[in-house]
Amino acid sequence: DQQVKQNSPSLSVQEGRISILNCDYTNSMFDYFLWYKKYPAEGPTFLISISSIKDKNEDGRFTVFLNKSAKHLSLHIVPSQPGDSAVYFCAAQARGSARQLTFGSGTQLTVLP
Amino acid sequence: DAGITQSPRHKVTETGTPVTLRCHQTENHRYMYWYRQDPGHGLRLIHYSYGVKDTDKGEVSDGYSVSRSKTEDFLLTLESATSSQTSVYFCAIRSTGRGNTGELFFGEGSRLTVL
Repeated sequence: DQQVKQNSPSLSVQEGRISILNCDYTNSMFDYFLWYKKYPAEGPTFLISISSIKDKNEDGRFTVFLNKSAKHLSLHIVPSQPGDSAVYFCAAQARGSARQLTFGSGTQLTVLP
Repeated sequence: DAGITQSPRHKVTETGTPVTLRCHQTENHRYMYWYRQDPGHGLRLIHYSYGVKDTDKGEVSDGYSVSRSKTEDFLLTLESATSSQTSVYFCAIRSTGRGNTGELFFGEGSRLTVL
């Protein structure tokens, strides 16, 4: 059973508009959430994170929102740019020493010029 | 650049042969991880290490073993490769931030094809 779910395999957005990527989780032990971006033939790169004690974190064009009661987080990209086209993975860490990441299945974002 | 090097980057092998993938880091990080990426599954944890000779299993560890005899090297071994192990393998290290959280930084991946 997937503990981190990204229900939209793909998303297309016009350049300059907002991209909203969604993620749901089931494990109440998760206390830190991350978004990664992945281009073809490259490793995932860290984008932005949020601790469970916050409900919003912003970094330039990227904002992550966390709704703990709904076990839902979202990544907003505004304005979207063609270079943002990539696969975006949501990930979560649980309390404990290993702090390994559990990933969602990813959403392919395409930003159309 | 997190100083992670994976080798080989590409490998084609036959069913039943042993395969070893190497992950090398230059920044003395304690935690290292091996993930595999498959369509529809995202990245899934195979094994991880929390120090020299200290390793533990992840979500999809069957058919894989690991070793860490030096801080800088984390080896992933497929004792007898099967077609279901055709995948892209990523090594990662964890930076240590406040409260024991910390982002993982990934290598560029090793694409393995088992015929």
